[in-house]
Parts: sequence; C-alpha cells; structure tokens
Amino acid sequence: DAGITQSPRHKVTETGTPVTLRCHQTENHRYMYWYRQDPGHGLRLIHYSYGVKDTDKGEVSDGYSVSRSKTEDFLLTLESATSSQTSVYFCAISESEQPIAAPRGEQFFGPGTRLTVL
Amino acid sequence: KQEVTQIPAALSVPEGENLVLNCSFTDSAIYNLQWFRQDPGKGLTSLLLIQSSQREQTSGRLNASLDKSSGRSTLYIAASQPGDSATYLCAVRSGNTGKLIFGQGTTLQVKP
Repeated sequence: DAGITQSPRHKVTETGTPVTLRCHQTENHRYMYWYRQDPGHGLRLIHYSYGVKDTDKGEVSDGYSVSRSKTEDFLLTLESATSSQTSVYFCAISESEQPIAAPRGEQFFGPGTRLTVL
Repeated sequence: KQEVTQIPAALSVPEGENLVLNCSFTDSAIYNLQWFRQDPGKGLTSLLLIQSSQREQTSGRLNASLDKSSGRSTLYIAASQPGDSATYLCAVRSGNTGKLIFGQGTTLQVKP
C-alpha cells in the first residue's frame, strides 16, 4: 500500500469554526489531491497540488483552501465550516516520471477523514 | 464536460458466478481509466489502471477492458467470492493534471 496517512480520522466540529485536515505521504510523489465523497454525488475533486507551493482548484473548491509547504504534506482548510461540508474527505497521490510531465499512472488514496459539522 | 456513469448501481449474485460491471464516459479523449474497490467505511483501493493506448488489463481474477471510441469500460470478475462484496468505482483522467472524474459506483454483493 502507498504510504498515505490522513489526520484526524474523525472530527466533529461546530458551524463557523476553522478546520484543518492533514495528508502526509512517504512516497515522494509530486501530485497530491483532496476529494470529498458524498451520497448521491460520489467523489469530487476539491483542490490539487502539482508541487511544493503549486496548487489549483478542483470542481468544488468554494469554502476550502489548501497549502503545501513540503512535498510530503498537503493541508486542507475549511476557513469557516458549514453543515454542507459534512463529508468524508480523501487525499490521493500520484507520481510523475519527470518534473514537468503530467502524472503518468495510478492514483493512490488515503484512508479518509470523516468530518461532521454541527 | 466529462461525465462517468456506472450501471447497475447495485448487483447481487451467488458465489461462483462470473460477472461484468459497466462504466461509460462521455468524452473519449481520456488519458487513462482506473478501477477502484471501496469497502464500507474504508478508503479506495486501486484495482487496475488502463492507459488510453491499451485495450485491457488483467490482475488475478479481474480483467478490465477499454473501448475509447465507444466511451466504455468493463470490469470482469471471474468466479466471484463473498470477499469480493464491495463498491466498485471507475474513474477517468481527461486532463494533464491527473484529476479524476468518478462514476457513482456499483455496489456488489456476492452471496455464499
């Protein structure tokens, strides 16, 4: 299994509070992704990173920000959590054969974080 | 906009049956297609990756095919076992950033 961990694994918070989720990889892969999974919507991309300090938006990025200061860590922040952000959040990684090449192959997923916003 | 559809949404079969899960996508300009398995409350496990230039990939009892021109992929599971019970997801990569577009999944139950 790819070395991907997510923390925390479970979190309950209140509306309006900031929340940060962490994804840590030991594979030295260049690309990292944050998805959310919701019944009826499946998995949707929130943000992704193609290198240290290089990030871009996915299809459901409103209300979320990300940061990547090191290759191994990708943080997802909910600036002011809302009940609509209750979800399961997955981090994923993929490799790249060359520094500027698009990711070649498989994406590997972390175990997920279950977030409940009351 | 790429859309991915999986049919059926749920499937129940007796142990030992061979079965096929279907995945269709609307834009044939894909880089690759990946099949995943997800157990309840767990993360996604990658099963097979098919590059756009390939027609099929095999791993053990699993065989995935890809027909880009018709926008279809199938996952064939031979001699199904109760341990194969899970949700199976397909996802396509269309752009050069690695972003995946997922189908809604097929939930498989294999009865002993």
